[in-house]
Amino acid sequence: EAEVAQSPRYKITEKSQAVAFWCDPISGHATLYWYRQILGQGPELLVQFQDESVVDDSQLPKDRFSAERLKGVDSTLKIQPAELGDSAMYLCASSSMTGGNFVGTEAFFGQGTRLTVV
Amino acid sequence: GIQVEQSPPDLILQEGANSTLRCNFSDSVNNLQWFHQNPWGQLINLFYIPSGTKQNGRLSATTVATERYSLLYISSSQTTDSGVYFCAVNHAGNMLTFGGGTRLMVKP
Repeated sequence: EAEVAQSPRYKITEKSQAVAFWCDPISGHATLYWYRQILGQGPELLVQFQDESVVDDSQLPKDRFSAERLKGVDSTLKIQPAELGDSAMYLCASSSMTGGNFVGTEAFFGQGTRLTVV
Repeated sequence: GIQVEQSPPDLILQEGANSTLRCNFSDSVNNLQWFHQNPWGQLINLFYIPSGTKQNGRLSATTVATERYSLLYISSSQTTDSGVYFCAVNHAGNMLTFGGGTRLMVKP
């Protein structure tokens, strides 16, 4: 069964260091999402890609976060420098599109990367 | 932007009891999903339900898109049903927005 792959599963990093997360969506899924989930809250969208283009990054803290999906397949999310408040679960999801009317279909999530900044 | 509200925020049940979780949304949506977040943090797909009613074992869901709400029913609850349940709506531009979740604890 096709799955969204994420790595690493867990990451501990020191404050001010750089950290990167990787996501490989389900084959053929044009839409890729990165979410951040703070303990006890619902996931919040950081960035949404349609193929290699950014559709929405309005909630991405661009002074320290960057995201890319260069060939429209897998994606990397980077934080530099990491801060204590970045400790959270980072979730990646993907979905396909129906016809040409820009309506998404069912989204599937990877296992997530749990980041701890010390 | 669209608002998604889930209720109740917390729910404690005795094993074998039934429950109803609600998801209200503030604008028209293309589709709606229900997820169960397991103890390791992964979001497990329960239902993809833009409208109507679907059933899967002890779980069922109903979405009334015209009235902007969805319900998730859990019957004969088991301890393994414990966890957090999220609804998420797909709206303009294929955006996917989550509610705050319902934290369910089923006691033996």
